[in-house]
Amino acid sequence: AQSVAQPEDQVNVAEGNPLTVKCTYSVSGNPYLFWYVQYPNRGLQFLLKYITGDNLVKGSYGFEAEFNKSQTSFHLKKPSALVSDSALYFCAVISGGSYIPTFGRGTSLIVHP
Amino acid sequence: NAGVTQTPKFQVLKTGQSMTLQCAQDMNHEYMSWYRQDPGMGLRLIHYSVGAGITDQGEVPNGYNVSRSTTEDFPLRLLSAAPSQTSVYFCASSRTEKETQYFGPGTRLLVL
Repeated sequence: AQSVAQPEDQVNVAEGNPLTVKCTYSVSGNPYLFWYVQYPNRGLQFLLKYITGDNLVKGSYGFEAEFNKSQTSFHLKKPSALVSDSALYFCAVISGGSYIPTFGRGTSLIVHP
Repeated sequence: NAGVTQTPKFQVLKTGQSMTLQCAQDMNHEYMSWYRQDPGMGLRLIHYSVGAGITDQGEVPNGYNVSRSTTEDFPLRLLSAAPSQTSVYFCASSRTEKETQYFGPGTRLLVL
């Protein structure tokens, strides 16, 4: 079985400050990990993914995520937040033997001016 | 290149009515899926398809049917709508289940 947890329903950060949105996962075997962003009344958009290789993955809009196998985490980070980063962020995982990805419940990021 | 398209954008149904949510993609993706999004529940997979003629159930398949007669189209049918099916529905496609998914704009469904 596979699962993913986003422990924070909401993250608040001031514009210009670094941001972190947390994600932990559980899979059998090697994970394929994804981050997606959803703006109001829109579908999800891909941000970045980890399949194999470097533990630090760089993605769209200045976001990056660090794969930590020992802590089974894949936290999303950005060095300097923008008000326009305010959105709903989803972490997703799929194991090598599965056809079905599992999404987290989502974390609402609010960046204050 | 339209990506993933969904129709309608919004629909109101009465309990017991049936309807079909349309989904089409023009990227020649083999893997397509339907999700529902409810507040606090994230995205839950309803049905998926790994190619034309092949479909399978996801996490919450009850009350929904799908078919995949072509690579491009993956319609979702509600057999007898219930208020519990009030939700936002997203269709997605990808080359395989392990690759980046591309999502449609969603269909907002209200069942009275």
